Amino acid sequence: DVKVTQSSRYLVKRTGEKVFLECVQDMDHENMFWYRQDPGLGLRLIYFSYDVKMKEKGDIPEGYSVSREKKERFSLILESASTNQTSMYLCASSPSGSSYNSPLHFGNGTRLTVT
Amino acid sequence: QKEVEQDPGPLSVPEGAIVSLNCTYSNSAFQYFMWYRQYSRKGPELLMYTYSSGNKEDGRFTAQVDKSSKYISLFIRDSQPSDSATYLCAIPGGGADGLTFGKGTHLIIQP
Repeated sequence: DVKVTQSSRYLVKRTGEKVFLECVQDMDHENMFWYRQDPGLGLRLIYFSYDVKMKEKGDIPEGYSVSREKKERFSLILESASTNQTSMYLCASSPSGSSYNSPLHFGNGTRLTVT
Repeated sequence: QKEVEQDPGPLSVPEGAIVSLNCTYSNSAFQYFMWYRQYSRKGPELLMYTYSSGNKEDGRFTAQVDKSSKYISLFIRDSQPSDSATYLCAIPGGGADGLTFGKGTHLIIQP
């Protein structure tokens, strides 16, 4: 089975801190994604990557950046954490190809609280 | 207009009932339709996907697409407490990564 591992289940950070969320997948997938999930808003795409060192903005990239130096690892960076970035963050991966025949495999999420 | 609409619930039904979960979508070009299931404190996982119109059955689960009405449904027969989860419809085509999610319906099966 594909395994997508997010390094932390829970994080508490202070406003203004730089925060790193790490994600590793073990199935050699080309595509990797970062979403946030909020009650009433559903899943929203922050950034995605189709290859090493490539990144594309999703629907809500403001306040975030990403890094993909190795194929299996995709990091989400909150440059200066703010309270409105308190959320559940979900990483996902998929093999190359169109999204209809390459389903997403999600990690179990990191619940980030910014105080 | 949102591309995919889904009632967030919660939807609470007794064990053994038939459950109907639904989404509507706006873009008639959509061809593939997916359902993801998300248990509490877990990430979503693909449950079923179907192409174009018609039904697809997998055990107790049936996915149905009505393209004329732009309406997709997931039916669960003989529902079990273990089916309690959030169910998200997802449609490739639209959104920055080509996958548009509904907001999810929280389903509770009462023992």
